Amino acid sequence: AQKITQTQPGMFVQEKEAVTLDCTYDTSDPSYGLFWYKQPSSGEMIFLIYQGSYDQQNATEGRYSLNFQKARKSANLVISASQLGDSAMYFCAMRGPDLIQGAQKLVFGQGTRLTINP
Amino acid sequence: EAQVTQNPRYLITVTGKKLTVTCSQNMNHEYMSWYRQDPGLGLRQIYYSMNVEVTDKGDVPEGYKVSRKEKRNFPLILESPSPNQTSLYFCASSSWGGGGETQYFGPGTRLLVL
Repeated sequence: AQKITQTQPGMFVQEKEAVTLDCTYDTSDPSYGLFWYKQPSSGEMIFLIYQGSYDQQNATEGRYSLNFQKARKSANLVISASQLGDSAMYFCAMRGPDLIQGAQKLVFGQGTRLTINP
Repeated sequence: EAQVTQNPRYLITVTGKKLTVTCSQNMNHEYMSWYRQDPGLGLRQIYYSMNVEVTDKGDVPEGYKVSRKEKRNFPLILESPSPNQTSLYFCASSSWGGGGETQYFGPGTRLLVL
């Protein structure tokens, strides 16, 4: 069974500092995908970044990058130059392998609440 | 604009009164799914659909029904709501992109069952 673990219930960071949110995963499938979502206090789920298990390079999207360490089953989110608007709940999620029914189901971690201080 | 819409956004109801939460996407995605979010539990999948007329149970399907008669719509039905179905509900859709994939979520529906 797939499992996502986010060990940091909450983090407090000074504005403009970089922040790393931890995510480890467990799966026996060779093919999978990893996601990060942001959930602000308004409640919507905002897609941030995606990493495929066969991707050779770490994914990047603007100020977001995913530090993918496959052997360690780690997929940490790095936010560079944090902003006050980055304060939110962040979820790491994993989907299953291709070509299997229900493969696009996402399994979520419990989330990390990030607070950016001015 | 690519989006997933849900209605209603907020709903207060009483035990046993049937309700439907609608979900619609305008991206021609094959895959749609419903999740519920509860404190400390993250998001858990209720039902999913791989395409029209193809649906299957997720991790927590008890007390819910779905249908997929059209590609764009995937309503969630609570035939007889109970207080333990008080939650935040998300609809999501996805398809394969060129270099990866993106899963889109609707804005969420906050449901309170009294």
